[in-house]
Amino acid sequence: DAGVIQSPRHEVTEMGQEVTLRCKPISGHDYLFWYRQTMMRGLELLIYFNNNVPIDDSGMPEDRFSAKMPNASFSTLKIQPSEPRDSAVYFCASSHLALDTGELFFGEGSRLTVL
Amino acid sequence: SQQGEEDPQALSIQEGENATMNCSYKTSINNLQWYRQNSGRGLVHLILIRSNEREKHSGRLRVTLDTSKKSSSLLITASRAADTASYFCATDAWGGGNKLTFGTGTQLKVEL
Repeated sequence: DAGVIQSPRHEVTEMGQEVTLRCKPISGHDYLFWYRQTMMRGLELLIYFNNNVPIDDSGMPEDRFSAKMPNASFSTLKIQPSEPRDSAVYFCASSHLALDTGELFFGEGSRLTVL
Repeated sequence: SQQGEEDPQALSIQEGENATMNCSYKTSINNLQWYRQNSGRGLVHLILIRSNEREKHSGRLRVTLDTSKKSSSLLITASRAADTASYFCATDAWGGGNKLTFGTGTQLKVEL
């Protein structure tokens, strides 16, 4: 299996632009998580899905952030408009509850820089 | 908010020595996990310990859990330069809905 695949790996954009981050979870996994990592705040859970349905979006910072999971093999995290404080590494992770291990499989992350 | 706080924030040791990292958390948990993150990479799962377990081993890793003190420790024995990474504890809170909350991490450097 290729693991969790995220794109782009790096994105540099200007304030006010729209940013879309993409994630392909591991096939057969029924949970998908979006995390954000910064030096100041560490790893923060933004939102997670179960069977493509958003379960908890309480970590989404504000209305500028939105996430979708149109099918079991694809999810997007969109920021519109972007701001410099959104600069961070965004991780997607997936898991399979039936494994009963609770283990999350992480992608390599998307490093976002907003100028 | 951060559920877990790791201690120390940074640790530097010589190859062959043991490394011990501690994690404290605030609420009741179902399980606690440890992850490793190499610089510029995603996190990788190391080991999981359930709330009814007190100690668990996996290769050179030993994890303990004290639910009365809401704390856990990760011991890496006979460390190697390749163990250089950041280590995070993560908790699956009781009633938390199958989501993990990560601690602040310990940066471990193993020198030759």
